[in-house]
Amino acid sequence: NAGVTQTPKFRVLKTGQSMTLLCAQDMNHEYMYWYRQDPGMGLRLIHYSVGEGTTAKGEVPDGYNVSRLKKQNFLLGLESAAPSQTSVYFCASKSFTGATNQPQHFGDGTRLSIL
Amino acid sequence: AQKITQTQPGMFVQEKEAVTLDCTYDTSDPSYGLFWYKQPSSGEMIFLIYQGSYDQQNATEGRYSLNFQKARKSANLVISASQLGDSAMYFCAMREQGGGNKLTFGTGTQLKVEL
Repeated sequence: NAGVTQTPKFRVLKTGQSMTLLCAQDMNHEYMYWYRQDPGMGLRLIHYSVGEGTTAKGEVPDGYNVSRLKKQNFLLGLESAAPSQTSVYFCASKSFTGATNQPQHFGDGTRLSIL
Repeated sequence: AQKITQTQPGMFVQEKEAVTLDCTYDTSDPSYGLFWYKQPSSGEMIFLIYQGSYDQQNATEGRYSLNFQKARKSANLVISASQLGDSAMYFCAMREQGGGNKLTFGTGTQLKVEL
C-alpha cells in the first residue's frame, strides 16, 4: 500500500515564486494535515482538514493556503515563497472512525529550499 | 495552551542497554492521548506507541514501553535492549483539545546507539 504520498520530494524555489505541494492518501482517511519541520522546533501544524471541502488553520498558517477538493488529496500552496519558508514539509492523514489510539500516518516529506 | 517538553536534545546509549527518553506535557483537558514517533536519518515519521489518559496500564509495544506518570504529567519512552537501528530522532506528541485530532509535538531527542 502506498499510504501517504507527497509530491515533489525536493524543490528549490526563488523568493517570490509560487508552488503547490501535493499530498495523496489511499486509506480513505477523513483527516489530513500539513506540518513543517525546522531544526530544533519539532513539527508545527500549518493547516488541516477534517473532510472534503473543509480546511482550518493550524499553529503557523501565514503564507500558506490549502485546498481539499477531493477526499484523498490535500494541497499546500505557497503564493509568494520567502526564505523563512525553507523547511521540510510533512503531510499526514488519520481516520475519523476507529479507536482514539489510531495515529496519524505520515508521508516521507518534501524538502523545500527558498533562495 | 497545551505544551510538550522534551528536555534531552541528545542521548547516547550502548547497544543492548535500556534507555529512557523524557517527555512532560501540560494540559487542562482530562482526556488526552500521547504518541511517540521515531524519525530515522532517512526522514520518515514512524509511529511507535500510544498512551491514553484513561488507560489503566502503561502501554507496551515490543521493545518500547511508556512510563506514564499522570500526576507528574510525564510519559517517558523506554527502549529496552537498544539496537544500532534505534539511532534516530524521537518525538513525543499530544493529541490536542478540540476538533481535528491535532497533534502538538515536542522538539525531539536525538538518540545515538553505540557499540
